[in-house]
Amino acid sequence: AQSVTQPDIHITVSEGASLELRCNYSYGATPYLFWYVQSPGQGLQLLLKYFSGDTLVQGIKGFEAEFKRSQSSFNLRKPSVHWSDAAEYFCAVGSSGGGADGLTFGKGTHLIIQP
Amino acid sequence: DTEVTQTPKHLVMGMTNKKSLKCEQHMGHRAMYWYKQKAKKPPELMFVYSYEKLSINESVPSRFSPECPNSSLLNLHLHALQPEDSALYLCASSRDRFVGELFFGEGSRLTVL
Repeated sequence: AQSVTQPDIHITVSEGASLELRCNYSYGATPYLFWYVQSPGQGLQLLLKYFSGDTLVQGIKGFEAEFKRSQSSFNLRKPSVHWSDAAEYFCAVGSSGGGADGLTFGKGTHLIIQP
Repeated sequence: DTEVTQTPKHLVMGMTNKKSLKCEQHMGHRAMYWYKQKAKKPPELMFVYSYEKLSINESVPSRFSPECPNSSLLNLHLHALQPEDSALYLCASSRDRFVGELFFGEGSRLTVL
């Protein structure tokens, strides 16, 4: 069965500093990988996705993520965070044949931005 | 801006009430979903509607019943809910059940008294 681990429940970063959110997945074949962001009381917004091809994926709002098969990781990065980036971030994995409803979400990482 | 629209944004109901949550998508997607999300938890899949077929997460109680009037609408009927059903209910759609990412609405915050 596929699974996703986000090791950090909370992360605090100063505004303007760089950010890396960790995500490790477990899946036998090539996974479909996603990062979503959720502001308080809102729905989930897709930041970026990896299906195949270039392992460095660019997303919206200046985010990027790198797929590393050898480490079973798909970490999210941003070179300089803004106060508006404070939110909950979810990593998700889907199997190539499992469909969109086969997504497995991680438990989320809560990002706090210090002024 | 989201192209998945959910109404109402907030709903308070008693345990004997009957209410409905509504969801509409304007992207021509062929699959629609209802998720339940408790505070500080990831979303949990409740229902999938695709190709005129409904798939149900077996752990969802029968007091929740989905209805799909057409391919762009997915309602969630609520009856005799319990306080533990209070949560954020998220609707989502995807281009196809077997392809692509989920697009979420902004959610309906439900409080059961």
